[in-house]
Amino acid sequence: DAGVTQSPTHLIKTRGQQVTLRCSPISGHKSVSWYQQVLGQGPQFIFQYYEKEERGRGNFPDRFSARQFPNYSSELNVNALLLGDSALYLCASSRNDPLGGYTFGSGTRLTVV
Amino acid sequence: AQSVTQLGSHVSVSEGALVLLRCNYSSSVPPYLFWYVQYPNQGLQLLLKYTSAATLVKGINGFEAEFKKSETSFHLTKPSAHMSDAAEYFCAVTGGRGNEKLTFGTGTRLTIIP
Repeated sequence: DAGVTQSPTHLIKTRGQQVTLRCSPISGHKSVSWYQQVLGQGPQFIFQYYEKEERGRGNFPDRFSARQFPNYSSELNVNALLLGDSALYLCASSRNDPLGGYTFGSGTRLTVV
Repeated sequence: AQSVTQLGSHVSVSEGALVLLRCNYSSSVPPYLFWYVQYPNQGLQLLLKYTSAATLVKGINGFEAEFKKSETSFHLTKPSAHMSDAAEYFCAVTGGRGNEKLTFGTGTRLTIIP
C-alpha cells in the first residue's frame, strides 16, 4: 500500500499570496487531519475531516480552510500568507477509528518570503 | 482539555545505553497516548500507542512505554540505544472518541554518542 502522499513537497510563496496543499490518504482511510509544525516545535492541529465532514478545527485564523473530497483526498488552503505561516504542513490519515493512531505523510515545507 | 509535557528537549545517551524519554500528560478524560518519531526532513512515524488496554505497551524498533495513571506519565524506553535511534521524539494525547485531534508535546531530540 502507498502511504499518505502530500504534494508539493516544497514551495515558496510571497506574503499575501494564497496556497493550496494536497493530501491523498492511505487507501481505505476515511479520516484526514492537517497539522502545522513550525521549526523546533511539535505539530499543531489545524483540521480533521471524517467522511467529508469537518470534525474538528484548531485555533487557526479563518485564512486557513480545508475540504475533503469523495475519494477522501483533502486540500488545505491558506489565504493572505504571512511570514509566520512558514512551516511544515503534515497530513495524517486513519481508518474508521482515529484512536488507533494516524499515519503521517512526509509533509509540505512552505516558505513564505 | 488535554496536554502533554515532555521533560528534556535534548537527551544524549551512549550507544548501547538505556534510552528514557519522559512524557507527562494532563487529561480530563481517560487519555489515549502515543509516541511518534520524526527523522530529519520526514513526517512522523508511530512508535506505539496506549488505548486503555495493557499498561505496558510494546512498539516498533524495540521501544516500549508504560502508562502510569498515578503518576500521569507515559515514558518511552529502550534497553539499548542504537545509532539509528537518533531522531526527534514526540509524545501526543487525544481526548477520546469525538475529540480525536492529537495534542503534541514540544519534542525531545535524542542524540546517540558512539
